[in-house]
Amino acid sequence: DAKTTQPPSMDCAEGRAANLPCNHSTISGNEYVYWYRQIHSQGPQYIIHGLKNNETNEMASLIITEDRKSSTLILPHATLRDTAVYYCIVRVGSSNTGKLIFGQGTTLQVKP
Amino acid sequence: GAGVSQSPRYKVAKRGQDVALRCDPISGHVSLFWYQQALGQGPEFLTYFQNEAQLDKSGLPSDRFFAERPEGSVSTLKIQRTQQEDSAVYLCASKASGGTDTQYFGPGTRLTVL
Repeated sequence: DAKTTQPPSMDCAEGRAANLPCNHSTISGNEYVYWYRQIHSQGPQYIIHGLKNNETNEMASLIITEDRKSSTLILPHATLRDTAVYYCIVRVGSSNTGKLIFGQGTTLQVKP
Repeated sequence: GAGVSQSPRYKVAKRGQDVALRCDPISGHVSLFWYQQALGQGPEFLTYFQNEAQLDKSGLPSDRFFAERPEGSVSTLKIQRTQQEDSAVYLCASKASGGTDTQYFGPGTRLTVL
């Protein structure tokens, strides 16, 4: 699975959009981009995933560049409860194992 | 519906003791994963089950670590002769069959080895 690079930390004002970047320059054509987050003392929580088209759900939007070498997770109106570590993971969509390879993630601090 | 549950939530063991950590996956989920998360780090894969079959145990750090899922539902991660470096949060995740790759995680068991 391709390696990802994320900034170690970011701040965001409550109510503003949080834009979390991820670089995955070695991504292969059949690899998906997944985002999970981990709130303190909880297990990771799935947010969203995509292959090449932009995706949106009730939690967030995922913007993938045309060359697929990077992506951005957007939380449109961040709240204090969005403070968490956000992990960008790239993996084959239907690999036999399905294991997730987590990096260090980005610690997002939403401030009032 | 109920999510993934793990027990105990906290476990303190003396070095050399054996421990057993339990995971109850979401009902009907075929796949089950164990991860280890050291303080300040991202989770690291330990092992994977599809039903009762352990298909990947490449992440188990030593032969002191053993996992089982005898009936394809509940799973137990056992650590024998615990060492201080085993101190971590142990996370369990389950996944439904089919095309989805979404894993649902439990709250984890925090193991502290003194």
